[in-house]
This record gives sequence, C-alpha cells and structure tokens, in this order.
Amino acid sequence: DVKVTQSSRYLVKRTGEKVFLECVQDMDHENMFWYRQDPGLGLRLIYFSYDVKMKEKGDIPEGYSVSREKKERFSLILESASTSQTSMYLCASSFISGKWGQGARNEQFFGPGTRLTVL
Amino acid sequence: KNEVEQSPQNLTAQEGEFITINCSYSVGISALHWLQQHPGGGIVSLFMLSSGKKKHGRLIATINIQEKHSSLHITASHPRDSAVYICASRPIIQGAQKLVFGQGTRLTINP
Repeated sequence: DVKVTQSSRYLVKRTGEKVFLECVQDMDHENMFWYRQDPGLGLRLIYFSYDVKMKEKGDIPEGYSVSREKKERFSLILESASTSQTSMYLCASSFISGKWGQGARNEQFFGPGTRLTVL
Repeated sequence: KNEVEQSPQNLTAQEGEFITINCSYSVGISALHWLQQHPGGGIVSLFMLSSGKKKHGRLIATINIQEKHSSLHITASHPRDSAVYICASRPIIQGAQKLVFGQGTRLTINP
C-alpha cells in the first residue's frame, strides 16, 4: 500500500514564525503536491513538484515556498506565518500521468493532513 | 477557466436511501476522480473515470463526456458512508498532472 505521511497532525504557531511542514511518500512517485483546504473553498493547490529540485506554483503560492531535495520528501515552508494561513494542509503524491499507459490509475494518494493554527 | 461544480453541497438522508451526488466540469478532461474524506481529514480515492461507469461495492460512478457531467451513487446507504465526497477533474489543457477540485458534498446518513 502507498503510504504518504506528514510530520504533524496538529500544529500551533505564532504570527511571524517560520513553519516547516514535511511530507514523505514511499512509492517512488514523481509527483508531489501541497494543498490547503478551507471550509467552502475546497482543496486549493499551493505548489507542485514533478521531480527532485523541480517545482511549479499552484493556484495560491503567495506566502509559501517548497523544497524537494529527495524524491520521497516534499517540504512546505511558511516563511513568516500569518493568521490567514490557519488551515488544513494536505500533501499528496502520484506517478507521472500516463507512465503506466492508458489504463493506469494515476491517482493521487493523500497524507492524513496537518491542521495548522497560527495565533 | 476550468471549474468543477458539485451539487448538492450538503445532503442528509436516512439509512437505506439511494444517494446521488452530481459533478459538472467546464473543459475537456483526461480523467475524473471521486474522492472520499472522513472526519479527521484523510482522503482516499474511490474512482478514476475516463468514460462509462464503474462499480465498487455499493458505490457506482458514471460519466458523460459529451455533457461534461459525472455522478456518484450510493445504494443502500449506511451511517458509515457519512463523509465529504469530492469530485476532481484532470483537465487536458492544463497538462495531465494537476487536478481541479470541486468544493465537496457533505453527506450525512442518519440511522
């Protein structure tokens, strides 16, 4: 079974702190994603990485950065946390779409989420 | 702009009822995903569709590519089906890697 793990389930930080959220997957997936989920807004993509050291901005990258030094690990960084970044953060991973041919599932596998509160 | 719309946003039903959740999308897609999220946050993939119909236990997913519409059905619903159900499209025009998500449908099944 694919396993995607996140470093914390719950995190409380203060405004202005630097925050690191870690995500690790064990299925040798090329793609990794960071989302935030807020009531009424659904899942929104923050950043996406399709290879080591490669990253692409999602829909809401402002205030965030990412790091992917190893294939299995994708980190989300809040340089200076703000109260507007209080949210549920979800990491996901997948194979490159089409890697295994037309019939491949190419689904995204999600971690359990980190509920971040910024005071 | 690609958008994914789900309806209803909230659905409450009695145990045993037949449930339908709808999903519409606005651009051509390579695949449509249905996801389930239980309280506590974990998301699991239920189906990935590119055409026709798929069935897994009491869950059935259908897609009509021409109408850009998909439905998720639950037969003989049970309180353990209570969760948020999320539809997500994989648009062709944005590249094959990213998903565009609907806002989710919160389903509550009462005993």
